[in-house]
Amino acid sequence: QVTLRESGPALVKPSQTLTLTCTFSGFLLSTSGMCVSWIRQPPGKALEWLALIDWDGDKYYSTSLKTRLTISKDTSKNQVVLTMTNVDPVDTATYYCARRLASVGGFDYWGQGTLVTVSS
Amino acid sequence: SYELTQPPSVSVSPGQTASITCSGDILGNKYAYWYQQKPGQSPVLVIYQDIKRPSGIPERFSGSNSGNTATLTISGTQAMDEADYYCQAWDSSTSGVFGGGTKLTVL
Repeated sequence: QVTLRESGPALVKPSQTLTLTCTFSGFLLSTSGMCVSWIRQPPGKALEWLALIDWDGDKYYSTSLKTRLTISKDTSKNQVVLTMTNVDPVDTATYYCARRLASVGGFDYWGQGTLVTVSS
Repeated sequence: SYELTQPPSVSVSPGQTASITCSGDILGNKYAYWYQQKPGQSPVLVIYQDIKRPSGIPERFSGSNSGNTATLTISGTQAMDEADYYCQAWDSSTSGVFGGGTKLTVL
């Protein structure tokens, strides 16, 4: 079955770089039409789409955050990594990774999320 | 940048029909997606490509999308349907956007 799991630090200091890893199973990111996205949700607030990487290695970013984000994949490890530079307390959120199939278009499987707090 | 607007809250009595709207510029020309999120849980896809239900989603969930508005309809609403609902679309083919979310209260 398809599973995704996010991992990374629970606490990050302002101005530091945040690195999050999504480890997945049950599908191959190298399969045509397969994509993995990162999405975040500040406490009590709405979902915000951050980035996507597809089976071909093409990468897409939120317009408002693109200068701070980098998404990459390690197909051999079944992992997708998101880095966010120069974090600020407003980046405090639960960060989710989710699978997107081109044939579906939406996010059909989600990880459980990981809460990241930005504080000194 | 593209924006999707949802009402902050919708209330419905058990057994009645709940409708949650999502507005965006010419949204009808894009596909709309709907997610259900219960407290402390990850979102779940309940409608994709405007009208389709993933496997395991009850038939009481349906969707439509025309003009500037997509609508999620829950027929015969049950207490278990109480949750936050988010619409989502793709601005370009690969730039995602979510609505602000709607809290559905069943009372």
